[in-house]
Amino acid sequence: IAGITQAPTSQILAAGRRMTLRCTQDMRHNAMYWYRQDLGLGLRLIHYSNTAGTTGKGEVPDGYSVSRANTDDFPLTLASAVPSQTSVYFCASSEAAGGNQPQHFGDGTRLSIL
Amino acid sequence: GQNIDQPTEMTATEGAIVQINCTYQTSGFNGLFWYQQHAGEAPTFLSYNVLDGLEEKGRFSSFLSRSKGYSYLLLKELQMKDSASYLCAGMDSNYQLIWGAGTKLIIKP
Repeated sequence: IAGITQAPTSQILAAGRRMTLRCTQDMRHNAMYWYRQDLGLGLRLIHYSNTAGTTGKGEVPDGYSVSRANTDDFPLTLASAVPSQTSVYFCASSEAAGGNQPQHFGDGTRLSIL
Repeated sequence: GQNIDQPTEMTATEGAIVQINCTYQTSGFNGLFWYQQHAGEAPTFLSYNVLDGLEEKGRFSSFLSRSKGYSYLLLKELQMKDSASYLCAGMDSNYQLIWGAGTKLIIKP
């Protein structure tokens, strides 16, 4: 079934550890996004990529990095996790950046930093 | 600044109609999206408006007034499975989505 796959589904991590959240899509979408979702707040954009080989910073990029080596994969790395990064992380993709292109979401990764 | 406002929670009765309002302020405007999110699940796309007026899709309709910075999502013939959060998101001049915190809709039998 076509879509977006995120891994892991959930993770408990000690503060200070490095963690990579994986995201793979098989829809050949050009644009991909990473969001975090916290209770009482809207989805906040962390990083995005409009096409393979390019990335950009969103609203809350500090403490996170991304890469886009190919069309399908868009991993998100926390270099040194802190408790404030406890959140639900969603990866999304769209056919192109902008206009009437809806974003399609993965099932999310629930991350707890202790 | 950029901002999306929508009510935190609404309650409605099965079979009835409910309107969820959203006001937006974005730097530039490239459309307004509505998504549905069931608890513990991913958001799923419902509708997109970029021109003024009403877009109808089955039981769901979405309205946009660009001059007022206002949109609403109308849900008719409510079913229990419509219990979910409804997210309003405006697309700014950089084609980034600015999201509201969501409206939790509770359907009572």
